Amino acid sequence: GEDVEQSLFLSVREGDSSVINCTYTDSSSTYLYWYKQEPGAGLQLLTYIFSNMDMKQDQRLTVLLNKKDKHLSLRIADTQTGDSAIYFCAEKGSQGNLIFGKGTKLSVKP
Amino acid sequence: ETGVTQSPTHLIKTRGQQVTLRCSSQSGHNTVSWYQQALGQGPQFIFQYYREEENGRGNFPPRFSGLQFPNYSSELNVNALELDDSALYLCASSLKTIAGGDRKETQFFGPGTRLTVL
Repeated sequence: GEDVEQSLFLSVREGDSSVINCTYTDSSSTYLYWYKQEPGAGLQLLTYIFSNMDMKQDQRLTVLLNKKDKHLSLRIADTQTGDSAIYFCAEKGSQGNLIFGKGTKLSVKP
Repeated sequence: ETGVTQSPTHLIKTRGQQVTLRCSSQSGHNTVSWYQQALGQGPQFIFQYYREEENGRGNFPPRFSGLQFPNYSSELNVNALELDDSALYLCASSLKTIAGGDRKETQFFGPGTRLTVL
């Protein structure tokens, strides 16, 4: 079956790095995504990675993919209070849909 | 800003009523997907429309139906509303291409419609 798991909460201090982890089940997934959701808002695409890559860096964001273990992580360097939000990992499903985890709530303390 | 708009922003209905939610896709996109996000959960796939046809469906009953128009905008209709239908409804637009089996098809989300069923 298709399923995505994430830890629910993460708390860090401003300026530290945040690492949000995700596991997925569908080994045929070609693209994996990270979305950010602020309170009361829709989902903002942060970044994505193609399954033939093991790392992608985009400014403060680094995505690591371990395809053997079906593990994806998002690292946010120099975390700021504005990064406080819920972060969703998603894999592409067989119907062209996105399969989301329950989201990780990131709290950044000053 | 993704260029994807949804209306209305908020809606309150009572059990048994019917509701229509609307979505305008990003310019150049031909596919719209609808998701339901209950409080504290990740979005769940309802269905997808591509070139005015339903192109995939999640585990939702037939009282959830949709339409896509020639300009690629879309509607989600829910009949016989139940209390558990209270959620944030998100639409996402994307460009689906046939050539090359490209599955990247990045989805861009609108701000959502918050539906409350009393």
